[in-house]
Amino acid sequence: DAKTTQPPSMDCAEGRAANLPCNHSTISGNEYVYWYRQIHSQGPQYIIHGLKNNETNEMASLIITEDRKSSTLILPHATLRDTAVYYCIVHYNQGGKLIFGQGTELSVKP
Amino acid sequence: DTGVSQNPRHKITKRGQNVTFRCDPISEHNRLYWYRQTLGQGPEFLTYFQNEAQLEKSRLLSDRFSAERPKGSFSTLEIQRTEQGDSAMYLCASSKERDEQFFGPGTRLTVL
Repeated sequence: DAKTTQPPSMDCAEGRAANLPCNHSTISGNEYVYWYRQIHSQGPQYIIHGLKNNETNEMASLIITEDRKSSTLILPHATLRDTAVYYCIVHYNQGGKLIFGQGTELSVKP
Repeated sequence: DTGVSQNPRHKITKRGQNVTFRCDPISEHNRLYWYRQTLGQGPEFLTYFQNEAQLEKSRLLSDRFSAERPKGSFSTLEIQRTEQGDSAMYLCASSKERDEQFFGPGTRLTVL
């Protein structure tokens, strides 16, 4: 079973920041937090991952709380093309299977 | 980097028939994964390979399912005696060692 809890859906206005929360209260010390997204009718796409420090790349920022029990994915300027299901996954970063939950369906509206 | 490719993209079959799907990973990736996704659900892990060795199989992978990666390059997933419950999107992903997984577009199977 997935070790994460996410809201089923969120809306965001185009051009505004989208902040997607994730709870992972049972995360173990050497598990990373990964985010993937899946645009309709496509395969999932990797976004970002982190262990305990905040991370930023060209797609998004990942903020992990100090106790590592929750995190937030931030899309700084959401566009209509960011409409997708976003999955938060805890993973050992040793390869192997990803365990997906239900994800958050983000709708970016004009 | 041409990405992960999967063929066919769509397959419609009658119950009881056998089907085979192919996945071509990114060329330098040594790990290859198969997942299944039904409508409204997240992908579910089926099996994965490191090179040609099948390292893990989910209990979802019944005896009717078999996956191979004969030379550590492309992989095939075969479903024998298909059932309506096998209708789903079958996703393939690949990775280089422990790096992030890159997914293909999937094969959508419909069993009538």
